[in-house]
Amino acid sequence: QKEVEQNSGPLSVPEGAIASLNCTYSDRGSQSFFWYRQYSGKSPELIMFIYSNGDKEDGRFTAQLNKASQYVSLLIRDSQPSDSATYLCAVNMGHDYKLSFGAGTTVTVRA
Amino acid sequence: GAVVSQHPSRVICKSGTSVKIECRSLDFQATTMFWYRQFPKQSLMLMATSNEGSKATYEQGVEKDKFLINHASLTLSTLTVTSAHPEDSSFYICSAGTVPVDTEAFFGQGTRLTVV
Repeated sequence: QKEVEQNSGPLSVPEGAIASLNCTYSDRGSQSFFWYRQYSGKSPELIMFIYSNGDKEDGRFTAQLNKASQYVSLLIRDSQPSDSATYLCAVNMGHDYKLSFGAGTTVTVRA
Repeated sequence: GAVVSQHPSRVICKSGTSVKIECRSLDFQATTMFWYRQFPKQSLMLMATSNEGSKATYEQGVEKDKFLINHASLTLSTLTVTSAHPEDSSFYICSAGTVPVDTEAFFGQGTRLTVV
């Protein structure tokens, strides 16, 4: 079983719609959870991190964490063509900065 | 956020030669740096963890004699790909961390290595 799993997509949504991305992780002791956006040929850039159960909102992005279900999600509201990218879920399973990454979900926002 | 500078951004080298990639934290001291490799349409795979002043810790399956890591100062870590072969062609990315646990690590811009 992979440590961090994501649907690879591609996920295609119309402009203005909500894109919903899911991620599950295997280690119940995981501490912190990150969503990164990666454009083709570029390095990942952090969108959000979340540590506690519940929702965390930042602009058009909302991260949701459910540790009991070992599940973390990212919602992108009012999707824009510039949101078209690969979204990587990453999990920190201990007290260091070592991250385990999911395979990424490719999102395409149709104008 | 903090800035991590990685250089070069692209490099093409001949098979059998060695290539050095630098990762610098510009405005903070990074006690720990990580080196990742990413093949096309795949996710980031951690290669090794580098701590300042000590030997790097390599992930299973990564050849430490082939991928030499040096973290001689709190602001600089280097990855040297020795005797490079075409299968080493990949996108190499470093990240650096500092303050206590649970905070983000900052990524460099990545290096696209092509071995011909």
